[in-house]
Amino acid sequence: NAGVTQTPKFQVLKTGQSMTLQCAQDMNHEYMSWYRQDPGMGLRLIHYSVGAGITDQGEVPNGYNVSRSTTEDFPLRLLSAAPSQTSVYFCASSPTFTNTGELFFGEGSRLTVL
Amino acid sequence: KQEVTQIPAALSVPEGENLVLNCSFTDSAIYNLQWFRQDPGKGLTSLLLIQSSQREQTSGRLNASLDKSSGRSTLYIAASQPGDSATYLCAVDGGKLIFGQGTELSVKP
Repeated sequence: NAGVTQTPKFQVLKTGQSMTLQCAQDMNHEYMSWYRQDPGMGLRLIHYSVGAGITDQGEVPNGYNVSRSTTEDFPLRLLSAAPSQTSVYFCASSPTFTNTGELFFGEGSRLTVL
Repeated sequence: KQEVTQIPAALSVPEGENLVLNCSFTDSAIYNLQWFRQDPGKGLTSLLLIQSSQREQTSGRLNASLDKSSGRSTLYIAASQPGDSATYLCAVDGGKLIFGQGTELSVKP
């Protein structure tokens, strides 16, 4: 099993550009989520999904869109990138969506918005 | 709103020392609490998961305790080693997983 795979690992964008961060897991997990990690702010939940076709907002959803068309994939879209979205983004998955259980993380995607 | 706090933010100890990392949370209505390890430039690795009905969990040299009534958890690391150097984060699951800001641990040879 590859676990949770994130691509790309590094990305530089200009303000106003759009892009998609990809996340895939091969563990048949129901629960998937996106976090951003910033110095002094810890990890903050952006969006999460409890199964295919179901998504919901986390703490900091503004500026980001998600969709969950399959169990395996949970892409995060930045529609119009802003410098405030410079961060490290982590995708995580868990077997269940109530009482999430052990959470498995990807290696992260480092995004810089100029 | 759940708030999770970890103290201290950074800790430096000599090799071989036993140490305790602290995590406090404001809302006791939780499903579980997890401790994670994060190495520089890497993702998070789950170390221990304590269900709300449990008081503690152990894995090797690690022991985590949970006291829901006081909103506290501790991670005890026995006989610390330089390889334990990393950032340790706790996260509380009350429907959404909320993270503390972590304790950066440095174990000196």
